[in-house]
This record gives sequence, structure tokens and C-alpha cells, in this order.
Amino acid sequence: QKEVEQNSGPLSVPEGAIASLNCTYSDRGSQSFFWYRQYSGKSPELIMSIYSNGDKEDGRFTAQLNKASQYVSLLIRDSQPSDSATYLCAVSGNDYKLSFGAGTTVTVRA
Amino acid sequence: GAGVSQSPSNKVTEKGKDVELRCDPISGHTALYWYRQSLGQGLEFLIYFQGNSAPDKSGLPSDRFSAERTGGSVSTLTIQRTQQEDSAVYLCASSRGIGELFFGEGSRLTVL
Repeated sequence: QKEVEQNSGPLSVPEGAIASLNCTYSDRGSQSFFWYRQYSGKSPELIMSIYSNGDKEDGRFTAQLNKASQYVSLLIRDSQPSDSATYLCAVSGNDYKLSFGAGTTVTVRA
Repeated sequence: GAGVSQSPSNKVTEKGKDVELRCDPISGHTALYWYRQSLGQGLEFLIYFQGNSAPDKSGLPSDRFSAERTGGSVSTLTIQRTQQEDSAVYLCASSRGIGELFFGEGSRLTVL
């Protein structure tokens, strides 16, 4: 079982600021990395995927991957109250099995 | 359907009873997953099915839990002799590619 570690938070940021979320994983053979967002009482939804070292940007979201350090992060720029949610880091190897972290709860203060 | 469909959305049962939870994945998705999420906790992997391959049952917490997927589509998760610690939201997801899961709304199980 791949272990995926996240700071549980809560992470509180003012509206318009950058929220920075971190995730580390134990299996050096991991190949695919994902960020899911889960609103309270709802199911997770995929917001970002990253497969190679470096940065990947999608709108206000940037995922960063460093395989040597076994570290993946998510930056949320210009944070909005609608970004308040729990963000789950997920990791998989060369199969379909996906391991999730416990999630980081983000609160954006208006 | 457009998304992953799960039923029932809520189930309250008495300790010791059996329950069945159903998942109808997105058409064309070959992979189907069951996860469990207890209140305030992360997602606990239970089982996944990939095409016609043998399922990965490594996450099932005990032999009271079983799952099947008929015809490569609909899946049923069965919990026998339910215990209070089985209370959780059971999430089903399907996928066409590695890691890109689409989740259903979940089945909330409460064992009294």
C-alpha cells in the first residue's frame, strides 16, 4: 500500500491569497499524481493530474512534482471562498490502484 | 447515464444485518473502485475491478465484506453481519484511465 501524507490543516488563507498544499508519498515507483477537491458532504472530484517533474498550470491551479524528493504540491492562486474544501492528494503506480492522502482542509476568508 | 450512480443514498440498518450497496459506473469505463470514508477521514481503498482481470481485494477489511461486478458493469458491495464500525460513506468510482476517477454521490451507511 502506497502511503500518502498530507498536512490535515485547516489551512486558512485570505481571499485573493495563494494557498499552498503539500503531499509526500512513500513509494518511489509511483508514476501518476492527482489532486482531488471534496466539498463538505460531497464526493471528490478530480482537479489536477501530473505525471512528470516540474509544474503544470490549469487556470488558478498549479501542480508541482518532484519525484526525487517524493513530493507533490498544489498552489491555488487568487483564492476564492468557493475554493474552501478538502483537497486530497492521490498517487498510483503503473496500475489502476489509487492511494489517497487524508486531505488538507482549506478555508478561504472573505 | 452521465455519471456514476449509487444506491441507496442512505441506509440505516441494525447490527448483525446484511446490506447490499449498488454502483452503476459510467458507460465504457473499464475500472471500478470501492472506497470507504468515515466521518472526517480520508478515503480507504476497499476493492477495484479492471476489465476481466481478477479484482484487487486487498483493501477489504474483513471476510464480512465482498464485492462482485457483473458483466463488466454494475457492481454490488455486500457487507454481512454489519457492525457499528462499518458505519461510513461508501464511495464507488469508475475510470477509463489511470487515476482519473469519477465518483458517485456515495451510500451513507449507519449501523445502529
